[in-house]
Amino acid sequence: DTEVTQTPKHLVMGMTNKKSLKCEQHMGHRAMYWYKQKAKKPPELMFVYSYEKLSINESVPSRFSPECPNSSLLNLHLHALQPEDSALYLCASSQGRVGTQYFGPGTRLLVL
Amino acid sequence: AQKVTQAQTEISVVEKEDVTLDCVYETRDTTYYLFWYKQPPSGELVFLIRRNSFDEQNEISGRYSWNFQKSTSSFNFTITASQVVDSAVYFCALRGENTNAGKSTFGDGTTLTVKP
Repeated sequence: DTEVTQTPKHLVMGMTNKKSLKCEQHMGHRAMYWYKQKAKKPPELMFVYSYEKLSINESVPSRFSPECPNSSLLNLHLHALQPEDSALYLCASSQGRVGTQYFGPGTRLLVL
Repeated sequence: AQKVTQAQTEISVVEKEDVTLDCVYETRDTTYYLFWYKQPPSGELVFLIRRNSFDEQNEISGRYSWNFQKSTSSFNFTITASQVVDSAVYFCALRGENTNAGKSTFGDGTTLTVKP
């Protein structure tokens, strides 16, 4: 099973809202990732968690707040987003630091 | 530094034609890993193949085949007898053992359109 699940599939939020994106994997992977992807562009890395600890933050604005409650779950808390944050947000997991990344279906976020 | 170049931005073929997607990479690592992903309109990045730098064997999986050549730093992907369902954006990606550990470097992607 190489499935990574993400909820919700679509999200529309205002600039003053607080929302959360959720990601789950049951492959026993110890590295989990958040990516942001704009249309017609490759995914851009935002955060990496390794063994439930934040190991990489790609200078992401503080209005994005990641959380890894356990080895299977990854959340991305959103607050006071801007319209330019509208994008596809992808979660991925891998066995190790350079393992194959398996991606979830993504959450399409629209910020009004 | 790492870099992945997919020079073909868009390719359009007619069903049953063969098509090759090019990928050229740069890395200073002696051990590295190359990947191809497919992204259909639904958005999910689907893993297709992983190739380790120390394994230059080419691979065939059904209609898909991959040609890895370290001498030219290329990892090209061929679809034989293309089908409409192959229409998607295809990304080539690189992960180095030491450089940017934990980070994948993606090419800009090639949009493949297969017409019936």
